[in-house]
Amino acid sequence: DAGVTQSPTHLIKTRGQQVTLRCSPKSGHDTVSWYQQALGQGPQFIFQYYEEEERQRGNFPDRFSGHQFPNYSSELNVNALLLGDSALYLCASSLGLTNQPQHFGDGTRLSIL
Amino acid sequence: AQTVTQSQPEMSVQEAETVTLSCTYDTSESDYYLFWYKQPPSRQMILVIRQEAYKQQNATENRFSVNFQKAAKSFSLKISDSQLGDAAMYFCAISGWGTYKYIFGTGTRLKVLA
Repeated sequence: DAGVTQSPTHLIKTRGQQVTLRCSPKSGHDTVSWYQQALGQGPQFIFQYYEEEERQRGNFPDRFSGHQFPNYSSELNVNALLLGDSALYLCASSLGLTNQPQHFGDGTRLSIL
Repeated sequence: AQTVTQSQPEMSVQEAETVTLSCTYDTSESDYYLFWYKQPPSRQMILVIRQEAYKQQNATENRFSVNFQKAAKSFSLKISDSQLGDAAMYFCAISGWGTYKYIFGTGTRLKVLA
């Protein structure tokens, strides 16, 4: 039973660049949520995708955008990277728009130089 | 808006002993879910236990149990017979009914001493 997989594991970028992070949900799941976890902090909700549409969004600027594909996988795009975007980006999947527990991946560590 | 507060940045427990991690929250919703997640150095967030606010009975999962006090908006996690593998960051989170996004606390680092 494949869990949530994220790629890449670690990424280094410079200020102003753009980055794309990828997530494949747990088998049988169709909803993907993205979180940003700064060092020493709890994860913060970025947005959630279901049926290829953004359903909810946290308090993040438009530089953060996403996409969900027909196979339920998802991408997180961040444009015009800032030093403050350095963080662990976690993807979580769940079944439908329900309160079933979310299953998390190992995350992508993004470092901005 | 929902908030979650974990006032213990770090806790230590001797192997085989019991430890309690504190969590308080604030929400204006009457229906919601509360979670404890564990994050070991491997980074993956692992669900420890889940409590539905409309259920008065405290949730239990093997050595893990919660003390849910709805009126006090408190949701503490008790770990019995602590094991070395329990060492990790523990995050408390809340999800409102129908919102599906999690609001996390800042976490408590648990150290287990042999």
